[in-house]
Amino acid sequence: NAGVTQTPKFRVLKTGQSMTLLCAQDMNHEYMYWYRQDPGMGLRLIHYSVGEGTTAKGEVPDGYNVSRLKKQNFLLGLESAAPSQTSVYFCASSYSRQGNSPLHFGNGTRLTVT
Amino acid sequence: KNQVEQSPQSLIILEGKNCTLQCNYTVSPFSNLRWYKQDTGRGPVSLTIMTFSENTKSNGRYTATLDADTKQSSLHITASQLSDSASYICVVSLTYGQNFVFGPGTRLSVLP
Repeated sequence: NAGVTQTPKFRVLKTGQSMTLLCAQDMNHEYMYWYRQDPGMGLRLIHYSVGEGTTAKGEVPDGYNVSRLKKQNFLLGLESAAPSQTSVYFCASSYSRQGNSPLHFGNGTRLTVT
Repeated sequence: KNQVEQSPQSLIILEGKNCTLQCNYTVSPFSNLRWYKQDTGRGPVSLTIMTFSENTKSNGRYTATLDADTKQSSLHITASQLSDSASYICVVSLTYGQNFVFGPGTRLSVLP
């Protein structure tokens, strides 16, 4: 049981380049999330999905796009990378949003934009 | 503004000692409070989840408390081990939307 798997683990981009981060979960969870983690700050929500084919904006969505074509996959795209997007990106999934349903996180993608 | 604060920012203790981490929040409307452990280079892992009506919950050597009146929570670690070295993140969930408000974490180092 792999849980939540993120690829790639590391990536260096030049300003203006594009890339896609892949998140895959094998727990049949409906809810999936993309967060970014910056030093000294709490995780911030970029985009989320409440089910296959749905996406919604979170707290810091600008400069990012997402897609959830299959229930198990949630893709995060950067169309034109900027140095401000240098961060560690975490994908998470959960069975439901409330109650005792914990968030299950991947191990992150460390992105550097030069 | 919904906010979660944690103290101390970092903490160093000796193996076998106990410690307590603090979390204060100004989040409304409150749904539940969670503690996560994040090892270096890894994603956060859930330790406890407490709803409004729960004031304590344990997970092995980890015990979380919640005072919903003062909007404070604590995480107590008993008989610390080297493997407890990690960041501990307090997360508060709202009753609406998809928002979890994350604290900045407390970095705990356990030395032999």
